Amino acid sequence: KAGVTQTPRYLIKTRGQQVTLSCSPISGHRSVSWYQQTPGQGLQFLFEYFSETQRNKGNFPGRFSGRQFSNSRSEMNVSTLELGDSALYLCASSLEQGGFDEQFFGPGTRLTVL
Amino acid sequence: SQQGEEDPQALSIQEGENATMNCSYKTSINNLQWYRQNSGRGLVHLILIRSNEREKHSGRLRVTLDTSKKSSSLLITASRAADTASYFCATDTGRRALTFGSGTRLQVQP
Repeated sequence: KAGVTQTPRYLIKTRGQQVTLSCSPISGHRSVSWYQQTPGQGLQFLFEYFSETQRNKGNFPGRFSGRQFSNSRSEMNVSTLELGDSALYLCASSLEQGGFDEQFFGPGTRLTVL
Repeated sequence: SQQGEEDPQALSIQEGENATMNCSYKTSINNLQWYRQNSGRGLVHLILIRSNEREKHSGRLRVTLDTSKKSSSLLITASRAADTASYFCATDTGRRALTFGSGTRLQVQP
């Protein structure tokens, strides 16, 4: 089975712009989660989707949004980019048979905001 | 916010030695998971231990969980240079989100 894929792998934007990141989960996985990783704050949960519904959202401003499509692919969008949004954005999917178990992570998208 | 704190923050050992990392967390959990990350890449799941389990093994990995102390440890036996990475504990508190610790950077010298 192919792993979790994320596109693009690297992105450079300027302040004020917006960005859309994409995540394709492992085939058959219906839960997709997003995390932000920075040197200062570490790994922080952004949101989780299951069957096109957002089930949980982390403590991030409304500039961060996401969605999930019927094929379980997910996108996250960050509007009005700030310098502090520079980070590695990780997507994870899981099979979710009976619980929130092992997460399979993609390679991440490294976003640099100038 | 980070639920867990990991100790030590950095660890340097020789190949063949054992490496032990500790994780403490603050609230009740459903399970605790350990992940490895190589040089800012994606995380790789290593092992999951449920709140009603005390110890679990997987190959050269041994994880313990003490829910009364809200702590866990990861032991890697007979370390190899390829084990060089950052290791994170992550807790599932039933919120459908993992809360990660700050991580331990492990350097295994060949």
